[in-house]
Order: sequence, then C-alpha cells, then structure tokens
Amino acid sequence: GENVEQHPSTLSVQEGDSAVIKCTYSDSASNYFPWYKQELGKRPQLIIDIRSNVGEKKDQRIAVTLNKTAKHFSLHITETQPEDSAVYFCAAFSSGTYKYIFGTGTRLKVLA
Amino acid sequence: DTAVSQTPKYLVTQMGNDKSIKCEQNLGHDTMYWYKQDSKKFLKIMFSYNNKELIINETVPNRFSPKSPDKAHLNLHINSLELGDSAVYFCASSQEFFRTVGWTEAFFGQGTRLTVV
Repeated sequence: GENVEQHPSTLSVQEGDSAVIKCTYSDSASNYFPWYKQELGKRPQLIIDIRSNVGEKKDQRIAVTLNKTAKHFSLHITETQPEDSAVYFCAAFSSGTYKYIFGTGTRLKVLA
Repeated sequence: DTAVSQTPKYLVTQMGNDKSIKCEQNLGHDTMYWYKQDSKKFLKIMFSYNNKELIINETVPNRFSPKSPDKAHLNLHINSLELGDSAVYFCASSQEFFRTVGWTEAFFGQGTRLTVV
C-alpha cells in the first residue's frame, strides 16, 4: 500500500545551522507534497508545499525539493532558530485516493 | 472564525463507554478526514469523506463510525471504547481547486485528546 518514509526521526542542530529532513513515497500517483509543523499540544500546520510539476520551492528560510523519478522530497531549513523546534511531518497526497499519507515525523531541536 | 473546529478538546472516559467527537469546517471544503495520532506521534488516516460520501475506511474497527450529515460536518462515534483507543484524534478538511491548481493543504482541527481508563 501507500507509504511515506521520513528520516531522521530526531534531529538536533545548533542555532544558526541548517536542518534537512528527507522523505520517500511509494505511490507514483502522488501529486502534492505538503510539509507540516506541529508544536507541542497543537495542531499540525502547513509550512510549505510543492506540487508534482515543480522541482523546488523556497519561502524565506524554508525550501523544499522534489525528485519525482526517485520519489524523494526534502525539507531544508536554514539559519535555524529555537522557535523552529517542533515535530515536522512530510505528506504525500494522491487525488486518486483522497488521502494524505504522512511520514512518521521528525522531532527537530534547535539548541541555543 | 476558526476554520476547522472539534469538540471536545479533551475526553476522559471508561472502557466500554460510547463517545462522540464532533467536527465542523467553515471553509466550504468538500473533503473531510479523521486522523489518529498515537503516543509516538504517528498520524494515521482513519476515514475520508467527499461530499458526504465515505471514500476511505482504512481498516478501522467497526466500533468507529463516522457520520457526515452535510459537507461541513464529520462526526466520529466510537462504541465500546478500549484502552488502545487512547490517542489524539484530528479532524481535517481540504479542497481541490480546479484541475489546474490541484489539491491544497489539509487544514486540521485542534485535536481531541481521548483518554480511556
């Protein structure tokens, strides 16, 4: 069935350093890839997304890349700040199946 | 003007009880979902509804019964609650905006923390 693998499960970086989270999906019909940030006790909220017809997208300190051939997509956070500490989820959506399949999450800790 | 709202936020109940969680969205979306987030933070899809019709039931026990009275509401009823049902349940909604734009993000409710004792 559909599956999204996400690595690493935990990531600690020094403030100011970059963080990279990687995901791999299995459903070749997936065409939309959002990234969510979930702070403790709160709901997941979208931080950036990318569609299957685009290879890269950037929004200030956050960027996402997509390699459709390899079924890989990655989140890049530059100049990390303590407030970036949270759990990050990647997801893959297929309009044929009407569901977002989430990765297993990455707990990011930015050390001041 | 909350986009997706769930009630209650917290629910503590005994094993064997029946309980419901309500969800409403005011975004005009056609598609709504229920996700279960366990203690390891995994987000697993349970159900997906499109225009009040059940699209997905991800091998969820039949003790869980979703009901969508209209496009803006998707409620979750759980019978005979078990300890393993303890989790945070998230409702979400999304929409396809024309074929050229495609699907957009899923907007999540604030979650319902269910604790079965």
